[in-house]
Amino acid sequence: KAGVTQTPRYLIKTRGQQVTLSCSPISGHRSVSWYQQTPGQGLQFLFEYFSETQRNKGNFPGRFSGRQFSNSRSEMNVSTLELGDSALYLCASSPGLAGWDEQFFGPGTRLTVL
Amino acid sequence: AQSVSQHNHHVILSEAASLELGCNYSYGGTVNLFWYVQYPGQHLQLLLKYFSGDPLVKGIKGFEAEFIKSKFSFNLRKPSVQWSDTAEYFCAVNAPGGFKTIFGAGTRLFVKA
Repeated sequence: KAGVTQTPRYLIKTRGQQVTLSCSPISGHRSVSWYQQTPGQGLQFLFEYFSETQRNKGNFPGRFSGRQFSNSRSEMNVSTLELGDSALYLCASSPGLAGWDEQFFGPGTRLTVL
Repeated sequence: AQSVSQHNHHVILSEAASLELGCNYSYGGTVNLFWYVQYPGQHLQLLLKYFSGDPLVKGIKGFEAEFIKSKFSFNLRKPSVQWSDTAEYFCAVNAPGGFKTIFGAGTRLFVKA
């Protein structure tokens, strides 16, 4: 069974630009969660989607948005990039809601904002 | 607001030493608890989880964790670590009912051969 895939793996952008990250969950998984990982901060929850509906959102500004498609694939968008958005963005999928199931993580997208 | 505290950010042990990593959370209701591990160059993966029942749960690779409700703690233990246990360990908490999963800041463990 293929794991969670994320594209692109690496991204370099400049301040003010926008970026779209993509996540393909494990086949059959209905929940996709996104996290921002930075050194010393651990994983900060961005949002969780389940069956195309946003279930919950973390404490991030409105510049961070996401969506989930009918095939459970998910995208995350960050507009008007800031230097502080540089981080590893992780996607995780689970068969059911993330709080009730093991989450399977992808390799992440390393975003660098210059 | 929910929060998860991992007391040690860096731990260095020699092989065969015992390990205990602390995790405390702040939420008064029923919670689901997880420990994830990230080995160098690998994805985060589940080590063990607690939903209900026996508060002492066993995970992969000889790890176990004990849920102590009165202390809001879910500490991770291993009697004898190996060099291959070098990794970063994350405690995570979720309140059932659709609340978000909160991760701790992580503990980097380095085991000296």
